[in-house]
Amino acid sequence: DARVTQTPRDKVTEMGQEVTMRCQPILGHNTVFWYRQTMMQGLELLAYFRNRAPLDDSGMPKDRFSAEMPDATLATLKIQPSEPRDSAVYFCASGLTGGYMNTEAFFGQGTRLTVV
Amino acid sequence: GESVGLHLPTLSVQEGDNSIINCAYSNSASDYFIWYKQESGKGPQFIIDIRSNMDKRQGQRVTVLLNKTVKHLSLQIAATQPGDSAVYFCAENIPSWNQGGKLIFGQGTELSVKP
Repeated sequence: DARVTQTPRDKVTEMGQEVTMRCQPILGHNTVFWYRQTMMQGLELLAYFRNRAPLDDSGMPKDRFSAEMPDATLATLKIQPSEPRDSAVYFCASGLTGGYMNTEAFFGQGTRLTVV
Repeated sequence: GESVGLHLPTLSVQEGDNSIINCAYSNSASDYFIWYKQESGKGPQFIIDIRSNMDKRQGQRVTVLLNKTVKHLSLQIAATQPGDSAVYFCAENIPSWNQGGKLIFGQGTELSVKP
């Protein structure tokens, strides 16, 4: 049963600490998205990768957030230092893209981050 | 700065009735659209998609209609069931030359089904 796996499911951390969220995309998918979901802003696109290359991270606060794909089976989203306003559910999604064509993005269960 | 909290549009229907959820998308260049269902505590789940060269697509109990003239998308659910209660999002793929594009979500509509 192919699915996107995110770890951890829940994270509570103190303000100023580094937070790393991990995502294992579905095997064979070449596109990975990171989204943040809050009641205030809905589902915001933070960054996305195609074939491990970052294509657009304009939705991400550059001073504290970073996203990487060390290999095809792992995507990471780091926040350093974390702030209370970063509290949200962070979703990773993966999909398959060939040329112009996209398929649907499959979502993980999310990481619920609380910064106190 | 300060932001006003999102007040999700809510649709309340009786079990067995048909539901219609609407979405206005933002970019006239968008070429692919998806409806997702999100239940509490879970990630969004694919329901149905449609490409911009179509204006209607049907699935099992669901139909998506696309009107590119007014940039409007709708999801019709036939014979709505209590298990359909969730938040529904439309998403548009905004293309980028040779990069497939990025998937942007609308604000969502909460569907509540009364038994």
